[in-house]
Amino acid sequence: GAVVSQHPSRVICKSGTSVKIECRSLDFQATTMFWYRQFPKQSLMLMATSNEGSKATYEQGVEKDKFLINHASLTLSTLTVTSAHPEDSSFYICSARVGSGGYTDTQYFGPGTRLTVL
Amino acid sequence: AQSVTQPDIHITVSEGASLELRCNYSYGATPYLFWYVQSPGQGLQLLLKYFSGDTLVQGIKGFEAEFKRSQSSFNLRKPSVHWSDAAEYFCAVAPPRAGNMLTFGGGTRLMVKP
Repeated sequence: GAVVSQHPSRVICKSGTSVKIECRSLDFQATTMFWYRQFPKQSLMLMATSNEGSKATYEQGVEKDKFLINHASLTLSTLTVTSAHPEDSSFYICSARVGSGGYTDTQYFGPGTRLTVL
Repeated sequence: AQSVTQPDIHITVSEGASLELRCNYSYGATPYLFWYVQSPGQGLQLLLKYFSGDTLVQGIKGFEAEFKRSQSSFNLRKPSVHWSDAAEYFCAVAPPRAGNMLTFGGGTRLMVKP
């Protein structure tokens, strides 16, 4: 089956530093990847849609200068949390779309990255 | 805008008992419907999905879900729960012809008693 990995699985950083999270599709190519944020005991909220070779599309209320997304290849998307602050602490999850671009394509999710900003 | 409600935040069932997790959605037309399971340290795994056709959908791990248009519901069921089913379950919807734009419900945490 389609496997999506994320690295690191957890990261602790100081306030004001930047953190990069990688999302990789291991056994398939993904032209589209998605980034979600999940607060404790809450649901996933879509942050942005990442398309290979083009700029990401951000959901309303998500700061694009704060959360930099790069999708440089068909198997890798990165999310960089710039100048992280404690309120950015959360569980970040990526997913990758498997399919030919149709609207019935399935998303496969990574295991998530736990970010803690001190 | 579409929305998804999972009325039960926590559910506890005994191993071997049947299970039903509720999901209600709000959308102008029939959306695409999904159930995902999230276990600690693992990514969300797709259990089943409904796009059209037969309203009773069979998924993996013995799960099934039934789409009821009149009730705007897509409840997840399993006839006999195993201890390994303990996890967080998410219902999600997507607009038809945009199956990738998922909106998730709040989730239901399932606990299984021995």
